[in-house]
Amino acid sequence: RKEVEQDPGPFNVPEGATVAFNCTYSNSASQSFFWYRQDCRKEPKLLMSVYSSGNEDGRFTAQLNRASQYISLLIRDSKLSDSATYLCAVVLSGGYNKLIFGAGTRLAVHP
Amino acid sequence: SAVISQKPSRDICQRGTSLTIQCQVDSQVTMMFWYRQQPGQSLTLIATANQGSEATYESGFVIDKFPISRPNLTFSTLTVSNMSPEDSSIYLCSVVGGRAGVYNEQFFGPGTRLTVL
Repeated sequence: RKEVEQDPGPFNVPEGATVAFNCTYSNSASQSFFWYRQDCRKEPKLLMSVYSSGNEDGRFTAQLNRASQYISLLIRDSKLSDSATYLCAVVLSGGYNKLIFGAGTRLAVHP
Repeated sequence: SAVISQKPSRDICQRGTSLTIQCQVDSQVTMMFWYRQQPGQSLTLIATANQGSEATYESGFVIDKFPISRPNLTFSTLTVSNMSPEDSSIYLCSVVGGRAGVYNEQFFGPGTRLTVL
């Protein structure tokens, strides 16, 4: 079983739609959680850190469910510019900041 | 977040040769990381580079193949040695950000796109 798993997609959604991605992790000792966005041929850019209480940044909401060992990302009112690959990443407790990435979920927003 | 630059941005190399990739950060950072992203894949950590100590390599990566230098708190190099076509990848460095009270956030350089013929 992979340490971090994501549905690879692609998710094809119209502008204005709400879309949600899930990411499961296998190690219950994971302590930090992140969503990154990666555009084609670019480096990953940190989108959000995911806190236990959940957090929101504009149209983006991230949630953590420790009991079920998954994190989620919700994008409301999708824009064409949201088209990208979304990577989740976790850090293990005592992992010295070692990020373990999922394979990414591709999102394509169309007019 | 820190501003990170990498050189070269891309290169095409012949098999059997070596390439050294540079990573420069605009502020002092304790931990730097080197990742590889093979075509169509996600990121895999190669090693963690701390200033003043040997790099720590992940399973499947060895120092002879990927020697790393970390001469100071703003700079690191990764060498890809004796290259083969399987080494064709994007190589990225990253650093841990410095937002107060926020731990483990990492920020990436723009990457070096390597093609080995």
